[in-house]
Amino acid sequence: AQSVTQLGSHVSVSEGALVLLRCNYSSSVPPYLFWYVQYPNQGLQLLLKYTSAATLVKGINGFEAEFKKSETSFHLTKPSAHMSDAAEYFCAVRGREDMRFGAGTRLTVKP
Amino acid sequence: ETGVTQSPTHLIKTRGQQVTLRCSSQSGHNTVSWYQQALGQGPQFIFQYYREEENGRGNFPPRFSGLQFPNYSSELNVNALELDDSALYLCASSQGQGVPRNSPLHFGNGTRLTVT
Repeated sequence: AQSVTQLGSHVSVSEGALVLLRCNYSSSVPPYLFWYVQYPNQGLQLLLKYTSAATLVKGINGFEAEFKKSETSFHLTKPSAHMSDAAEYFCAVRGREDMRFGAGTRLTVKP
Repeated sequence: ETGVTQSPTHLIKTRGQQVTLRCSSQSGHNTVSWYQQALGQGPQFIFQYYREEENGRGNFPPRFSGLQFPNYSSELNVNALELDDSALYLCASSQGQGVPRNSPLHFGNGTRLTVT
């Protein structure tokens, strides 16, 4: 069965620093992977998705993720953090009918 | 393009009561899924509806039930509310069968249910 694990429930970075949010997946078939962001009191917004066309996926707001089959990872990065990036981030893998989410990583950006 | 809309935004109920949450899917989407997001956790799949039929269910008891209407809108009903049902309930829509499985879900802003 497909699942994802997010490493680190809370990540804190300074404004302008690199953002790295970690996600590892488990899947017996080629996975369909996604990153979502959730701002306070809102639903989930799609950041990017892995399409198998390229291992490096670019998303909105300057985020990107790299699919590494050998490491079963799909980590999310952004070169320079902005204050507006403070939010909860969820990695997800598509199951047969559902989307299976990790527990989330809360990103804090310090001025 | 109209996104996913949910109502109400907030709701307070008493243990043992029943609640109905509503969702209008994004234009062109014929599949609706419901998720429960407890505080500090990721969303958990409740069930999915396609063409007015339930075609997938997560690990939730039968007191969680749903409907999908011909216009693809949906309702989530929860009977005999328990304190642990307090959560954010998210509705998501997508295009159904025949589309790539890397198609994302599009979420509404959710209904915050508090059970006292």
